Amino acid sequence: KNEVEQSPQNLTAQEGEFITINCSYSVGISALHWLQQHPGGGIVSLFMLSSGKKKHGRLIATINIQEKHSSLHITASHPRDSAVYICALLAQGGSEKLVFGKGTKLTVNP
Amino acid sequence: NAGVMQNPRHLVRRRGQEARLRCSPMKGHSHVYWYRQLPEEGLKFMVYLQKENIIDESGMPKERFSAEFPKEGPSILRIQQVVRGDSAAYFCASSPSRGAVTEAFFGQGTRLTVV
Repeated sequence: KNEVEQSPQNLTAQEGEFITINCSYSVGISALHWLQQHPGGGIVSLFMLSSGKKKHGRLIATINIQEKHSSLHITASHPRDSAVYICALLAQGGSEKLVFGKGTKLTVNP
Repeated sequence: NAGVMQNPRHLVRRRGQEARLRCSPMKGHSHVYWYRQLPEEGLKFMVYLQKENIIDESGMPKERFSAEFPKEGPSILRIQQVVRGDSAAYFCASSPSRGAVTEAFFGQGTRLTVV
């Protein structure tokens, strides 16, 4: 079993829909990172979480440490949100090694 | 302040050749991480370097792969005698200090194709 599991693998939505992407993990962590990767492009950091909830524009990220689960929500989705969203975690113990999920490919249709 | 710069963006090599991938960190950043993204797979940590030091290379294949981050100049990921299985996107990220990997900025990646 992978340390980081994302669901769904692929997600297609209509413009304006509310999107949820889930990330479950099996190890103790010091931080969890949500990243965005556009086709053929680089990787952009969206959020870093160690507890609670963060909001930036239409994006909301939450984490439940006890349940070892994080969600990324996109409100009022737009075609420009189409990308791969990647959950990455930093295990406890001073490690500098990010462990990545396989990503969720989001397509938002107009 | 330019972001993390990787070059080349695309690299094609024949089997058996050497591939050199370069990463210039953000100004003021002295810590560099290399990651590999194989087709249809997630990103995997390869190596973590500080100027002139390899801190953690536990994700590097044992043979043919090496990395350096000299006092002057970019970090280099070197793959000798490339094989088809080395075809992947290689990403570099930089951070200002140890313990700041989640504040790291990523480059655009180098897409290596081995033919």
